[in-house]
Amino acid sequence: EAGVTQFPSHSVIEKGQTVTLRCDPISGHDNLYWYRRVMGKEIKFLLHFVKESKQDESGMPNNRFLAERTGGTYSTLKVQPAELEDSGVYFCASSHTTPGTANYGYTFGSGTRLTVV
Amino acid sequence: LAKTTQPISMDSYEGQEVNITCSHNNIATNDYITWYQQFPSQGPRFIIQGYKTKVTNEVASLFIPADRKSSTLSLPRVSLSDTAVYYCLVGPGPKAAGNKLTFGGGTRVLVKP
Repeated sequence: EAGVTQFPSHSVIEKGQTVTLRCDPISGHDNLYWYRRVMGKEIKFLLHFVKESKQDESGMPNNRFLAERTGGTYSTLKVQPAELEDSGVYFCASSHTTPGTANYGYTFGSGTRLTVV
Repeated sequence: LAKTTQPISMDSYEGQEVNITCSHNNIATNDYITWYQQFPSQGPRFIIQGYKTKVTNEVASLFIPADRKSSTLSLPRVSLSDTAVYYCLVGPGPKAAGNKLTFGGGTRVLVKP
């Protein structure tokens, strides 16, 4: 089975520009999550989709970040306008929703390294 | 969610056993303990999960004492390719599908030839 795919793998943009990150979860996984690690910090939760609905967006840093998952398949995370402190690695993960599925149903993508200059 | 504390880094040599201990003094009754491995330029990858006593799979063993306030991940006979960051997480277990993960700082394991 294909894993979680993230695109692009790297992105370098100027402050004030817009960047859109994409995540393709494992087929059939209803849960989709975004996490990020900024330089020197721990990996932090951003938000959680169940199908196309936002289940928990408590980790979104501010309204410059917009996540969507139209149709409950792939997801995009848009940063507009980007600031220097947004630099970091953005991870996407997906998992089953079926009760009884263990935490190890979580599969992470390789991440998108975003650099804002 | 319970906070975890683990060593920042550990060095080992090929063929040795590596044991990483994680403290989670405030673990809740329903919490499970899960370990993830992360290689450079990759996302975290599940290694093992347990609730109490001992769990073993083809990759590692997880030892959890009766009070569950700590756990030890054991990697037998490590190789250079086991060089990675290892994260200890505590949180809802298998029946709580869809829960978010809380990562700590992890332990950077360096395996030397």
